[in-house]
Amino acid sequence: DTAVSQTPKYLVTQMGNDKSIKCEQNLGHDTMYWYKQDSKKFLKIMFSYNNKELIINETVPNRFSPKSPDKAHLNLHINSLELGDSAVYFCASSQDAGGGASGELFFGEGSRLTVL
Amino acid sequence: KQEVTQIPAALSVPEGENLVLNCSFTDSAIYNLQWFRQDPGKGLTSLLLIQSSQREQTSGRLNASLDKSSGRSTLYIAASQPGDSATYLCAAQGGADGLTFGKGTHLIIQP
Repeated sequence: DTAVSQTPKYLVTQMGNDKSIKCEQNLGHDTMYWYKQDSKKFLKIMFSYNNKELIINETVPNRFSPKSPDKAHLNLHINSLELGDSAVYFCASSQDAGGGASGELFFGEGSRLTVL
Repeated sequence: KQEVTQIPAALSVPEGENLVLNCSFTDSAIYNLQWFRQDPGKGLTSLLLIQSSQREQTSGRLNASLDKSSGRSTLYIAASQPGDSATYLCAAQGGADGLTFGKGTHLIIQP
């Protein structure tokens, strides 16, 4: 039973296309996240979302949009893909620990996006 | 804005040695600090989470310490094994920024 699962694991597409990456967690967590890991392996948060609030990293282009149909899912939509969007995208989830803090984060296996 | 630095960037040691990985952060107003392990082509696996009120956490051969006032955390690995080879990341959690990650320490344990 995978706790946080992402699909697809690999995605190769052309510039200008629109694509989505799906994420599901079966841990009953309150908060889900999307992180981007670039070619230098540096991880940076893109979004965090719970049923109350979407927090967007201000450096994320508005071509990226998270969509949460329910508490267990947070999908990532990307419009007008650019070469620089090539990276590994990780979904994660955590349980709120109160006072603004989160508990331990659980990560998916990642989705490697290649834009040609 | 929080910045997390990990030293060294890479480390190679013989099997059996004890080793220390270092992590420093610029903003001491954190909720917690987490250490993760990432194997090539895989996601991150949480190793230890230290709440801001705690000084250390232990799990098996791993011990992580936290000194909030100096903005430092260390991950101590005892009796290293080849299976410990991976990239180790620390991440500080504070406010709306979520987790801020360091760039990791790439660890190789030589058999």
